[in-house]
Amino acid sequence: EVQLVESGGGLVQPGRSLRLSCEASGFNIDDYDMYWVRQAPGKGLEWVSGISWNSRTIGYANSVRGRFTIYRDNAKNSLSLQMNSLREEDTALYFCVKDGRDSSNFEGSFGLDVWGQGTTVTVSS
Amino acid sequence: EIVLTQSPATLSLSPGERATLSCRASQSISRYLAWYQQKPGQAPRLLIYDASSRATGIPTRFSGSGSGTDFTLTISRLEPEDFAVYYCQQRHNWPETFGQGTKLEIK
Repeated sequence: EVQLVESGGGLVQPGRSLRLSCEASGFNIDDYDMYWVRQAPGKGLEWVSGISWNSRTIGYANSVRGRFTIYRDNAKNSLSLQMNSLREEDTALYFCVKDGRDSSNFEGSFGLDVWGQGTTVTVSS
Repeated sequence: EIVLTQSPATLSLSPGERATLSCRASQSISRYLAWYQQKPGQAPRLLIYDASSRATGIPTRFSGSGSGTDFTLTISRLEPEDFAVYYCQQRHNWPETFGQGTKLEIK
């Protein structure tokens, strides 16, 4: 079964740091771009960050650029998000997400086809 | 950053009716648009990619159309399980962005 499992969320004070992790199973992440998407309580989806299959291309939402860093370890089949200088507006459910397109052959659906269940980050004093 | 505007914010319809949801981009995104369905307490589910291609396992009552800046998601005959929130997403360039969502509710 293709699955993504996030961990590392919790309650943190403004200005502090947190590192999220995502473990993939049932597939090899090294053929796929990977992403973090978040959803604040009662709000819509926000694309946070993306990383290409070979880590050569990395992107961030304007709201997190300079504070968040995305990493991937293809050998460990895992994805991470280092979040520094956290703000109350970073409070959200953070999803780890897989691209549907296989970067090795460009086959598959060009959408976000596998989502984890999310890990909750609460930034509050 | 490309802004996506979805309309209407809320759509009230009955089972069996046809639903038409719109998504407008602030600049041309060719056909690099995806649609997702999200139910309460669940992760989003990919419905449509490349504006009109159905994802694996998605019923044929879901269809997408459009290119450039204007896109539409159509549900031909609503089933009870279709009442949810729908998001569009542009995949033309990074940072990718989502629309604010359309809530499809039972009338």
